[in-house]
Amino acid sequence: DAKTTQPPSMDCAEGRAANLPCNHSTISGNEYVYWYRQIHSQGPQYIIHGLKNNETNEMASLIITEDRKSSTLILPHATLRDTAVYYCIVRVDRGGADGLTFGKGTHLIIQP
Amino acid sequence: DTGVSQDPRHKITKRGQNVTFRCDPISEHNRLYWYRQTLGQGPEFLTYFQNEAQLEKSRLLSDRFSAERPKGSFSTLEIQRTEQGDSAMYLCASSIVGQGRDGYTFGSGTRLTVV
Repeated sequence: DAKTTQPPSMDCAEGRAANLPCNHSTISGNEYVYWYRQIHSQGPQYIIHGLKNNETNEMASLIITEDRKSSTLILPHATLRDTAVYYCIVRVDRGGADGLTFGKGTHLIIQP
Repeated sequence: DTGVSQDPRHKITKRGQNVTFRCDPISEHNRLYWYRQTLGQGPEFLTYFQNEAQLEKSRLLSDRFSAERPKGSFSTLEIQRTEQGDSAMYLCASSIVGQGRDGYTFGSGTRLTVV
């Protein structure tokens, strides 16, 4: 799985869009970009994933650059409950036949 | 079904004791995973099962760690002769075969403290 680089922490004001960057310059053509988050004292929670195209769901949007070497997770209207550690993971889709490799992630703090 | 359940939520044990944690996955999920998470780090994959078969165990941290899923439903993770370095959060996740993209559901973990 390709290595990812994320800032260790970020702040965002409540109600604003939170933009979390992830660099994955060694990504291969068949590797997906996944985002998970972990709220304090809970297990990680899936947010979104994508291969080449931008993706949006009810939780967030994922913007992947054309060269696929970086991506941004966007939480459009951040709330206090979005305070969490956000993990960017790049990996081949093996249909669940292995575990996820987490880095240290970005600790996002939503300020009131 | 209320998701992945782990028991106990917290465990304090003395060094040298054995401990066992239980994980009950989502009922229709046939894959089950164990992770360890130490303070300030992301979760670290340990092992996984498909039904009752343990398909990956090379990542288990030492021979003091073992996991079972005897009937393909709940699973247990045992640590023998605990050490202070075993203090961590132990997370369980489950998924359905072929749905690994977005199908991992994690429990809230068991926090182990070895004193």
